[in-house]
Amino acid sequence: EDQVTQSPEALRLQEGESSSLNCSYTVSGLRGLFWYRQDPGKGPEFLFTLYSAGEEKEKERLKATLTKKESFLHITAPKPEDSATYLCAVTSGGSYIPTFGRGTSLIVHP
Amino acid sequence: DAMVIQNPRYQVTQFGKPVTLSCSQTLNHNVMYWYQQKSSQAPKLLFHYYDKDFNNEADTPDNFQSRRPNTSFCFLDIRSPGLGDAAMYLCATSQLEQGEDTDTQYFGPGTRLTVL
Repeated sequence: EDQVTQSPEALRLQEGESSSLNCSYTVSGLRGLFWYRQDPGKGPEFLFTLYSAGEEKEKERLKATLTKKESFLHITAPKPEDSATYLCAVTSGGSYIPTFGRGTSLIVHP
Repeated sequence: DAMVIQNPRYQVTQFGKPVTLSCSQTLNHNVMYWYQQKSSQAPKLLFHYYDKDFNNEADTPDNFQSRRPNTSFCFLDIRSPGLGDAAMYLCATSQLEQGEDTDTQYFGPGTRLTVL
């Protein structure tokens, strides 16, 4: 059974204080790893899909990286509007159904 | 813009009174999913359609049913809502085919269900 563990559960940063969120996974044959941003009371918003170790993708202040065991979401010089819950999910083997982690709640203080 | 739309955004129902939530998509994706999400929890998959094929999760209560009359629309029916069914219900779509975007899910804004 696939397992996805996100850490930390919650993170408080000062505006401009760069940091990283972690997503560790245990799967039998990774198909894809997905990062989403979810604001309170809204549906998850797609950020990135990564398919193979060594792959990196960037969008504004966010950069996602992937190894064979984990993914990092790096946030550079965050702003208060980056405050949200960040969800990680994986698909593996012959299944297109993702397994989600419980998310990291990020708060960025001005 | 191509998108996933859910209606209504907020639904209030009474205990035991049937309710239907709707989802539509302009992405022309072949898979549509329904998730239940409670506060501070990961989304929990209820069921999904791959084209017309319905796939129910083993632990989805019989109280929940779904219909997909065409590619664009999918409905979630809750036959007799209980207090424990109060949650955010999320619709998502994906396109399963070879290519860079396969497996990626795109979510709607959600419907917040309150059961009185």
